[in-house]
Amino acid sequence: SAVISQKPSRDICQRGTSLTIQCQVDSQVTMMFWYRQQPGQSLTLIATANQGSEATYESGFVIDKFPISRPNLTFSTLTVSNMSPEDSSIYLCSVGGGMNTEAFFGQGTRLTVV
Amino acid sequence: SQKIEQNSEALNIQEGKTATLTCNYTNYSPAYLQWYRQDPGRGPVFLLLIRENEKEKRKERLKVTFDTTLKQSLFHITASQPADSATYLCALDIGQAGTALIFGKGTTLSVSS
Repeated sequence: SAVISQKPSRDICQRGTSLTIQCQVDSQVTMMFWYRQQPGQSLTLIATANQGSEATYESGFVIDKFPISRPNLTFSTLTVSNMSPEDSSIYLCSVGGGMNTEAFFGQGTRLTVV
Repeated sequence: SQKIEQNSEALNIQEGKTATLTCNYTNYSPAYLQWYRQDPGRGPVFLLLIRENEKEKRKERLKVTFDTTLKQSLFHITASQPADSATYLCALDIGQAGTALIFGKGTTLSVSS
């Protein structure tokens, strides 16, 4: 199992600013996943963060907008840059979930951009 | 690309009844299908996993079926309780190491007493 501490749990930000979300895992993991969950929508994968290499972004998400750091096997950050109201969403980090294993999630960060 | 649909956004039932949630997918069959529960302000929590060669899986009051011909999974909660009220998500696992799950939108279940 894995326990993920994600912070902040929520924030209200001004448009044009940036917010960095942190995720700390209580064990070493190779892959960490960042998802976005917009109201009434499914979890959409933003990127996969592999320690020691550049994150892999899904279609529609770019590094300039969502830079990710993965400095070690237990920690990752996602930055939402130059925010607009359309970025208002819940952001979640996750580990596990492939190859017959369950996924573990942080509590999520509820972001509101005004 | 793979799509996954949970065809009820909301389901309201009376306490004690069985809730049945549906998950349909397109294209290729996943190796595994997983179900999660999400409460407001929380991340999803794993409930059950079923393999493509399994027809049914049970855990306490929960039952999951997997029909690869229909490309469908059903999730049942028997003897439902108000505490079962939450959003339930199904997720596809294509069975490759290092790949993320593909989630449906979820069905919000409300159990009234």
